[in-house]
Amino acid sequence: AQSVTQLDSQVPVFEEAPVELRCNYSSSVSVYLFWYVQYPNQGLQLLLKYLSGSTLVKGINGFEAEFNKSQTSFHLRKPSVHISDTAEYFCAVSMNTDKLIFGTGTRLQVFP
Amino acid sequence: GAGVSQSPSNKVTEKGKDVELRCDPISGHTALYWYRQSLGQGLEFLIYFQGNSAPDKSGLPSDRFSAERTGGSVSTLTIQRTQQEDSAVYLCASSRIGNSGYEQYFGPGTRLTVT
Repeated sequence: AQSVTQLDSQVPVFEEAPVELRCNYSSSVSVYLFWYVQYPNQGLQLLLKYLSGSTLVKGINGFEAEFNKSQTSFHLRKPSVHISDTAEYFCAVSMNTDKLIFGTGTRLQVFP
Repeated sequence: GAGVSQSPSNKVTEKGKDVELRCDPISGHTALYWYRQSLGQGLEFLIYFQGNSAPDKSGLPSDRFSAERTGGSVSTLTIQRTQQEDSAVYLCASSRIGNSGYEQYFGPGTRLTVT
């Protein structure tokens, strides 16, 4: 069975500072990895995904993530955050077209 | 094109009543998923439909929950004899199986409140 751990429930950061949101997964088989963002009172939106190939994936809004198989991690990064990045971020895994298994989420709060 | 739509957007019901939540997936998407988002449990998978295959019901929390998908398109999630712990946001997602990269597109959700 797969599982996802997001180590930080909340990450406060000042505007224009870099940020890293951590995600570790557990699986006995190869998985696909995703980061979703949920803005206040909105639905989930895909930020980026890793299926295969290059371990560094770039997504929307300047976010990127690196797949590290040996550390079973898929951390999300942004070099300079904006106030508008304030949201809940969810890491998820799936096998093929199967259901998504989500982490508990990380609330990113960007302060001016 | 239109995204995943869900109705109603909000539903308040009394404990013990039955409710039906509707999901219209993106046209052409063969896979449809239901998830639940609640404060205590986070985002949980409920059920997954793929084409004409038997649905994966492994996430349904009790036999009060059921779902169907008619004609490979619209899906209805039914909760019978609602309980207060059923209060949550119910999310529907769809995806195109094949070369899409397995991205699931989410609807805005239905917020269910059981009083």
